[in-house]
Amino acid sequence: QVQLVQSGAEVKKPGASVKVSCKTSGYTLTGYYMHWVRQAPGQGLEWMGWINPNNGGTNSAQKFQGRVTMTWDTSISTAYMELSRLRSDDTAVYYCARLQSGSYSDYWGQGTLVTVSS
Amino acid sequence: QSVLTQPPSVSGAPGQRVTVSCTGSSSNIGAGYDVHWYQQLPGTAPKLLIYGNTNRPSGVPDRFFGSKSGTSASLAISGLQAEDEADYYCQSYDSTLSGSVFGGGTKLTVL
Repeated sequence: QVQLVQSGAEVKKPGASVKVSCKTSGYTLTGYYMHWVRQAPGQGLEWMGWINPNNGGTNSAQKFQGRVTMTWDTSISTAYMELSRLRSDDTAVYYCARLQSGSYSDYWGQGTLVTVSS
Repeated sequence: QSVLTQPPSVSGAPGQRVTVSCTGSSSNIGAGYDVHWYQQLPGTAPKLLIYGNTNRPSGVPDRFFGSKSGTSASLAISGLQAEDEADYYCQSYDSTLSGSVFGGGTKLTVL
């Protein structure tokens, strides 16, 4: 069955970077785009961007452009999202989610809590 | 301020029917892009509830019904059950933003 398993919680200082991993199983990573979505405490879902593992093409929301890097490692079926120059308002749960038909997310990772605090 | 507008909360008694609205604009829902709905139970990842405006993934009860008209979409839940108490999010694509957009979320309380 399809599974997306994310890396564990992180605590970072302002200005640092964080890299979240999303290990996939049960399907071919290159067959589907991967969404990254975040959710600040008590807030709604916020789309960050997506990556096309076939060619490495990415698209990110304007507010994250220049700070977010999405990559993948086909050999270990794992997608990554790195967010740099962290601020306190980047404290959130970060989710990876498989994009089906280029449109909706049918499988989600369990989420990774990133806490940014001095 | 979310691109897609949802009511912050709705409520209903067990067995009743409730509707969650999702209002967009001519650059997203009104442009013909599909609307999808997710259910998020407390402390868990979102779960796909409705895709392509009206379609239910396998395992989702037919008590959940999606519709779309013009620049808006709706999620109707009939025969409310206590287990339906959750946050519900709509999602679509926006051509101006060139990316995916979510509604702000609606908290459903089963009275």
